[in-house]
Amino acid sequence: DSGVTQTPKHLITATGQRVTLRCSPRSGDLSVYWYQQSLDQGLQFLIQYYNGEERAKGNILERFSAQQFPDLHSELNLSSLELGDSALYFCASSVVRDINSGEQYFGPGTRLTVT
Amino acid sequence: GESVGLHLPTLSVQEGDNSIINCAYSNSASDYFIWYKQESGKGPQFIIDIRSNMDKRQGQRVTVLLNKTVKHLSLQIAATQPGDSAVYFCAGLVSADKLIFGTGTRLQVFP
Repeated sequence: DSGVTQTPKHLITATGQRVTLRCSPRSGDLSVYWYQQSLDQGLQFLIQYYNGEERAKGNILERFSAQQFPDLHSELNLSSLELGDSALYFCASSVVRDINSGEQYFGPGTRLTVT
Repeated sequence: GESVGLHLPTLSVQEGDNSIINCAYSNSASDYFIWYKQESGKGPQFIIDIRSNMDKRQGQRVTVLLNKTVKHLSLQIAATQPGDSAVYFCAGLVSADKLIFGTGTRLQVFP
């Protein structure tokens, strides 16, 4: 158990809908990262927040957005969902700001299925 | 461009043997690398990292080798155990804050 929690574990929704994925980092971790893992694209970095502020952006679509709240939990919002958005979404956390300065701990993921 | 990849989709080894998993990278993904292990149904787990100013780094039963001349890194697992069965990813850091992941090698350990 990494100490990172993600809810829900599974999510099934229809095209065009909007969903929110939630992540609680390990106690004391200030950085939260979001990743998407799909069969055709593999594991891709989406976005990072550090202490409430956006720190780095990866291959995140404009239909997707995220935020980190004062209690450091984070939410990833996915809107206008398409079939191709079906994937595993992982959240990771670390205590440091820079990605090359400390270990990231991954949550168990949320499996999103868009039908 | 930026890319990180893995050489083999699957590697089968006998329990007790050493495993070597390889990864190649492009020019821009060259400052910092991480190896991750992902077991079925779980999130990736950090194994070991290495910076570009190092050629070798050792952890518990694992060694990462970085060959900057041919832009290649490898993960060596000593005395492979059934619990090592998983998909292994290398990831390289591009532009100071963005990780690029390879496609993964599935390690299968048989008795």
